[in-house]
Amino acid sequence: DAGVTQSPTHLIKTRGQQVTLRCSPKSGHDTVSWYQQALGQGPQFIFQYYEEEERQRGNFPDRFSGHQFPNYSSELNVNALLLGDSALYLCASSSMGQSQPQHFGDGTRLSIL
Amino acid sequence: DQQVKQNSPSLSVQEGRISILNCDYTNSMFDYFLWYKKYPAEGPTFLISISSIKDKNEDGRFTVFLNKSAKHLSLHIVPSQPGDSAVYFCAASVVGTYKYIFGTGTRLKVLA
Repeated sequence: DAGVTQSPTHLIKTRGQQVTLRCSPKSGHDTVSWYQQALGQGPQFIFQYYEEEERQRGNFPDRFSGHQFPNYSSELNVNALLLGDSALYLCASSSMGQSQPQHFGDGTRLSIL
Repeated sequence: DQQVKQNSPSLSVQEGRISILNCDYTNSMFDYFLWYKKYPAEGPTFLISISSIKDKNEDGRFTVFLNKSAKHLSLHIVPSQPGDSAVYFCAASVVGTYKYIFGTGTRLKVLA
């Protein structure tokens, strides 16, 4: 039973570029959440997708956008990258309607030069 | 505004003894709490959760205690093992809001 998978593992970009991160949820899960974890901090909620729609959003600018596909997989897009966007980006999946915890992938380490 | 706080950045415990990790929160609307463990280069792994209608939940060596009046929860690990060495995050949410608010983590080191 595959857990949450994320790609790529590592990514290096320069300021002003755009990036797309990908996530496949755990089998049986239909909801995907994205978090940003800066060094020395806890994960911060970016947004959640369910039924291909953004269901809730954290305190992140519009440069951060996402998408969920019919197979429940998801993408996180970040435009006009800033140095401060350097972080570990975590994807978490869960089943809507059940009080089950979110399961996390191993993340994508994004470095901005 | 840090709604979930873990005031101890690190903790060292001898193998076989009890590890107690603490977490405080400020938002009285939180009604679901979780603990995650994170090893380097891996994502957080769910450990245990508790709903606000309970004050204790046990799962093997792990017990979470919730004190709603003090807005405080703690994770007890008994007995501690070297493999428990990791960063532990507490998280809180309001049921129906879908997002978790995380603390900054406590690095636990269990000494053999």
